[in-house]
Amino acid sequence: GNSVTQMEGPVTLSEEAFLTINCTYTATGYPSLFWYVQYPGEGLQLLLKATKADDKGSNKGFEATYRKETTSFHLEKGSVQVSDSAVYFCALFFYTGGFKTIFGAGTRLFVKA
Amino acid sequence: GAGVSQSPSNKVTEKGKDVELRCDPISGHTALYWYRQRLGQGLEFLIYFQGNSAPDKSGLPSDRFSAERTGESVSTLTIQRTQQEDSAVYLCASSLNNYGYTFGSGTRLTVV
Repeated sequence: GNSVTQMEGPVTLSEEAFLTINCTYTATGYPSLFWYVQYPGEGLQLLLKATKADDKGSNKGFEATYRKETTSFHLEKGSVQVSDSAVYFCALFFYTGGFKTIFGAGTRLFVKA
Repeated sequence: GAGVSQSPSNKVTEKGKDVELRCDPISGHTALYWYRQRLGQGLEFLIYFQGNSAPDKSGLPSDRFSAERTGESVSTLTIQRTQQEDSAVYLCASSLNNYGYTFGSGTRLTVV
């Protein structure tokens, strides 16, 4: 069946470091891929998305490329800030008799000043 | 309203009592999801409403859980005879076209 696997956290980085959070998926058909972010004390927010292979989603300095050959959608940012500290969720959206979304377990990011 | 509104934001209840959680989606959003997020874990799908179609209840963990939605408006999630393992944040999300969702801030349920 369809599934999403994220790297386990927490991830701890210093400010201005490079960030990668790995996400791989298994899916049939042509799913869409999303990254969501949950800041402390807040609800989930859509961060970026990609709807087909080779699409690159980007927002707030974050990027992720939909790689069908490696079934991956890794989240990257060139220079993290303390304000990026949050939990990041990778999600797979697909249609199978109805629309469904599967979320990864989430990766907690701590950025130190 | 401008966003998805959930109430109450926090609920503490005694084991065995029933609770009702409410979600007000964004006006016009036809799709509505309920998720559960236990401490330190990812989101767990509970139920999905799409317009007037029969809801997808495949994620409900037991028959103590039920949810209703009238048309494209408010949804309520009811948990009967609460247990301590029901303690979690219950998140509601709505979507216009199923591409990207708007989440509410959640209801934190604590069963003591």
